[in-house]
Amino acid sequence: SYELTQPPSVSVSPGQTARITCSGDALPKQYAYWYQQKPGQAPVLVIYKDSERPSGIPERFSGSSSGTTVTLTISGVQAEDEADYYCQSADSSGTYEVFGGGTKLTVL
Amino acid sequence: QVQLQESGPGLVKPSQTLSLTCTVSGGSISSGSYYWSWIRQPAGKGLEWIGRIYTSGSTNYNPSLKSRVTISVDTSKNQFSLKLSSVTAADTAVYYCARGYSGYEEWGQGTLVTVSS
Repeated sequence: SYELTQPPSVSVSPGQTARITCSGDALPKQYAYWYQQKPGQAPVLVIYKDSERPSGIPERFSGSSSGTTVTLTISGVQAEDEADYYCQSADSSGTYEVFGGGTKLTVL
Repeated sequence: QVQLQESGPGLVKPSQTLSLTCTVSGGSISSGSYYWSWIRQPAGKGLEWIGRIYTSGSTNYNPSLKSRVTISVDTSKNQFSLKLSSVTAADTAVYYCARGYSGYEEWGQGTLVTVSS
């Protein structure tokens, strides 16, 4: 079945830029979505349709796409950004959805 | 603003059927071009998409769970439901319901279901 691949962990210092990648064969055909999840909480959508930002999400969150890889970029990382991040997309036909394995962002 | 709330037994015996309901408030489950999904998360692990239903009744399921999953909708009660049959300990997880359109912007708080005798 279809899979999305993320790095297990990313670490950055406050004020630096964090980049989290997500790879999948169908990403050129299907949009990607990114979620932030803090312990004990439901996920929060931070990027939709590869690069769009929902209302209320800080401008430091951005998304981009290139071929079979999408990237979530957090500029000027703050301590409150420490969380797990998940990408989500669909198989090439759009029949079912899938989440990446998640990336733990640590703010040093 | 739409709110979602999961409900159902927190403990299910192995080989039995897990049944959960998601109640939607603050808006009609039939309005708009939304679909309604179930997503789960075992403790300390990642998110797993289970399946979705449109208010037309059309469904899509995770291929790895398809043989055991049924998702249904009751528009008169503004609810949708999940049934997962023949459960094992591997089905122990927090189960979320969520509203989909362009990503999942609305989620329930999640409910822990433990499979144990």
